[in-house]
Amino acid sequence: DGGITQSPKYLFRKEGQNVTLSCEQNLNHDAMYWYRQDPGQGLRLIYYSQIVNDFQKGDIAEGYSVSREKKESFPLTVTSAQKNPTAFYLCASSRQESSYEQYFGPGTRLTVT
Amino acid sequence: DAKTTQPPSMDCAEGRAANLPCNHSTISGNEYVYWYRQIHSQGPQYIIHGLKNNETNEMASLIITEDRKSSTLILPHATLRDTAVYYCIVRGGRDDKIIFGKGTRLHILP
Repeated sequence: DGGITQSPKYLFRKEGQNVTLSCEQNLNHDAMYWYRQDPGQGLRLIYYSQIVNDFQKGDIAEGYSVSREKKESFPLTVTSAQKNPTAFYLCASSRQESSYEQYFGPGTRLTVT
Repeated sequence: DAKTTQPPSMDCAEGRAANLPCNHSTISGNEYVYWYRQIHSQGPQYIIHGLKNNETNEMASLIITEDRKSSTLILPHATLRDTAVYYCIVRGGRDDKIIFGKGTRLHILP
């Protein structure tokens, strides 16, 4: 089946460690996105990429980094510089010509203690 | 910031139509209205979008007022599986970001 996968579903880390969240899609979509969601809040855009080897900062990029070496993959690294990393992280993708419809993965819930 | 205003929560009886309102009084001429929903602890799901004409698909109908300052998402026969947070989003061209507000938490009552 085509879709977006994120792994793992739950992730626990100690404060001060970098952690990388995986996002893979087999939909042949050009654009990919990372969002963060805090309890009771909407989604906030961290980074997005419209084409391989190119990406742009979203609204809350500080403390995060991404790479887009392959069309299918858009990993997100939460660095130790991110002051409040505990959150639900969602990855999405879309076709360029119909980017109104974003397809979301199941999310990764990161807990940093 | 989100450009839309939605009630924080609504209830609807199972089998009835659920009508979810959204205000977007500052919408500009080239901006579309989108609706997504998010079932607990899952990624959001696209429902429908429109510019100025009413739209219908297999999931829902979207009614946009003539002045485009508000819209209503209609789920014609709500089921328990429609319990979710519904996000109304205004967005311009395809390079414009999708900004999710807090949405409306819809409870379907058995």
